[in-house]
Amino acid sequence: ETGVTQSPTHLIKTRGQQVTLRCSSQSGHNTVSWYQQALGQGPQFIFQYYREEENGRGNFPPRFSGLQFPNYSSELNVNALELDDSALYLCASSLLAGGEETQYFGPGTRLLVL
Amino acid sequence: GQQLNQSPQSMFIQEGEDVSMNCTSSSIFNTWLWYKQDPGEGPVLLIALYKAGELTSNGRLTAQFGITRKDSFLNISASIPSDVGIYFCAGPKLGEYGNKLVFGAGTILRVKS
Repeated sequence: ETGVTQSPTHLIKTRGQQVTLRCSSQSGHNTVSWYQQALGQGPQFIFQYYREEENGRGNFPPRFSGLQFPNYSSELNVNALELDDSALYLCASSLLAGGEETQYFGPGTRLLVL
Repeated sequence: GQQLNQSPQSMFIQEGEDVSMNCTSSSIFNTWLWYKQDPGEGPVLLIALYKAGELTSNGRLTAQFGITRKDSFLNISASIPSDVGIYFCAGPKLGEYGNKLVFGAGTILRVKS
């Protein structure tokens, strides 16, 4: 158990809809990173939030957006869903304080877009 | 962009056998991480390597950080059924502020008892 929780566990949406995924970080952590994991692949970095600001972004379009709250929990929002957005969405929390930063993953939210 | 290449893609071994898998990159990494992912779960960190040449063990797992900083291997000794899962290597790509992790495509391990 990493102490990182995600909700919902599963979700089915249709093309064009919008979705919000949630992540609660491990106690004492100030950073949340989001990853997309397509079937049969390794996780791909979407973005990272540190102290409520975006702190780096991967190669994902602007319809992927996020928020981090004062308690360091986070949301991932995806607008105008496409079929290829079907994947496992993972969040990872960490303590960014200079030097090494170990990321601990939650169980993920499995999104299916029909 | 940066890419981590893992091999083999999958393995089907007998319980009790030793397992070896590796990860290579065209770029240098200053840290190598090995994660295991069980079905329906997120990746769990097994071993972290921080220095070139470093050899680190965690129970039956041993991992090494290659001297060139462009490769790493993970060995599992005397495999058991609960070793089944997907093993990922990962390395942090330093951004302006924080790290993003770059992952390989994974090695699928199946164990027959």
